[in-house]
Amino acid sequence: GDSVTQMEGPVTLSEEAFLTINCTYTATGYPSLFWYVQYPGEGLQLLLKATKADDKGSNKGFEATYRKETTSFHLEKGSVQVSDSAVYFCALSVLDGNNRLAFGKGNQVVVIP
Amino acid sequence: NAGVTQTPKFRVLKTGQSMTLLCAQDMNHEYMYWYRQDPGMGLRLIHYSVGEGTTAKGEVPDGYNVSRLKKQNFLLGLESAAPSQTSVYFCASSMANQPQHFGDGTRLSIL
Repeated sequence: GDSVTQMEGPVTLSEEAFLTINCTYTATGYPSLFWYVQYPGEGLQLLLKATKADDKGSNKGFEATYRKETTSFHLEKGSVQVSDSAVYFCALSVLDGNNRLAFGKGNQVVVIP
Repeated sequence: NAGVTQTPKFRVLKTGQSMTLLCAQDMNHEYMYWYRQDPGMGLRLIHYSVGEGTTAKGEVPDGYNVSRLKKQNFLLGLESAAPSQTSVYFCASSMANQPQHFGDGTRLSIL
């Protein structure tokens, strides 16, 4: 079935460092791809999305490019801030007409001042 | 602008007790979903609904029931709570082919 794999383990980095979180997927067809962010004590918020191959989603300095050839949608930010500390989830749309999502396990990002 | 509202926000139950979690959305969305979030497991879909009066099983439906009697509300029931159902529960809603919008979650502990 459709699935999303995120890199293992939390990510700890210093303020102004470069952030990358890897996401690869397995799917039949061409799903839409999403990054959601969860701040402490809150629900998930859509960060960015891409709906077709080679699309680049961007928001709040974050970017991710839909790569069909490598089935990837890696999240990047050039200079992180303490306020970017959160859990980041990669997800894809399951193409069954029910608008369901398949989520990766998430990555905790901790930015140290 | 409420969006998706979940009640209650926190609850502690004893094993064997029952309860209902309420999800309400004010965006006229057709689709609604219930997830559970556990450490290291990401979000797993429990049940979902594609319209008023419809429900369907997700990835982990056992021990839960749902109802969608009104378009704006999606109820999740635990008939006989078990410690394995200790989790954070999230509701989400969406229109077709649009991103899902999430509530702030219900933190449920079962002793």
